[in-house]
Amino acid sequence: NAGVTQTPKFQVLKTGQSMTLQCAQDMNHEYMSWYRQDPGMGLRLIHYSVGAGITDQGEVPNGYNVSRSTTEDFPLRLLSAAPSQTSVYFCASSYPITQNIQYFGAGTRLSVL
Amino acid sequence: DQQVKQNSPSLSVQEGRISILNCDYTNSMFDYFLWYKKYPAEGPTFLISISSIKDKNEDGRFTVFLNKSAKHLSLHIVPSQPGDSAVYFCAASSNQFYFGTGTSLTVIP
Repeated sequence: NAGVTQTPKFQVLKTGQSMTLQCAQDMNHEYMSWYRQDPGMGLRLIHYSVGAGITDQGEVPNGYNVSRSTTEDFPLRLLSAAPSQTSVYFCASSYPITQNIQYFGAGTRLSVL
Repeated sequence: DQQVKQNSPSLSVQEGRISILNCDYTNSMFDYFLWYKKYPAEGPTFLISISSIKDKNEDGRFTVFLNKSAKHLSLHIVPSQPGDSAVYFCAASSNQFYFGTGTSLTVIP
């Protein structure tokens, strides 16, 4: 029972490099989201999707792109990595958001040098 | 602007005593509230939730209280155990999930 799977677990990038953080869920959840966790800041929403083909911005979307071509996958792209994007990234999914629980992946720890 | 606030970054409690974690929110449109527990190097895991139509929900040692007039949420853990030591996030939802900044609970054996 995989749940929400994130890859990679760790990544080190140089400033200006691009990369994609992968997220997949096997629970047929419609709602998926990306958060970043920084010390003293809690979990901040980057982007979210309410279903395949539909995405929207969260609180801190700048520097990130997302797409949702299937129900299962919700990749997060860093276009040109900056040191300010050093963080721990979590992907989450749920059934339609009303009165439902989000399930989280184990996280990707990203360092941008 | 933080819509969900946890004003205590940390809390220490003796084993067997009650732990009370607090959370305040500003948006009266929130209709569902949740608590998550997070261990280091792991993702947050769901602990307990409450709908806005209720004022209390209990699950074993964990009870969540909701005071809508005060826009205040609390989590009670009784009795506290060393394995409860973790970071606890409160969250609220309407069309999105909003998380607090977390409270680090340490239960001292």
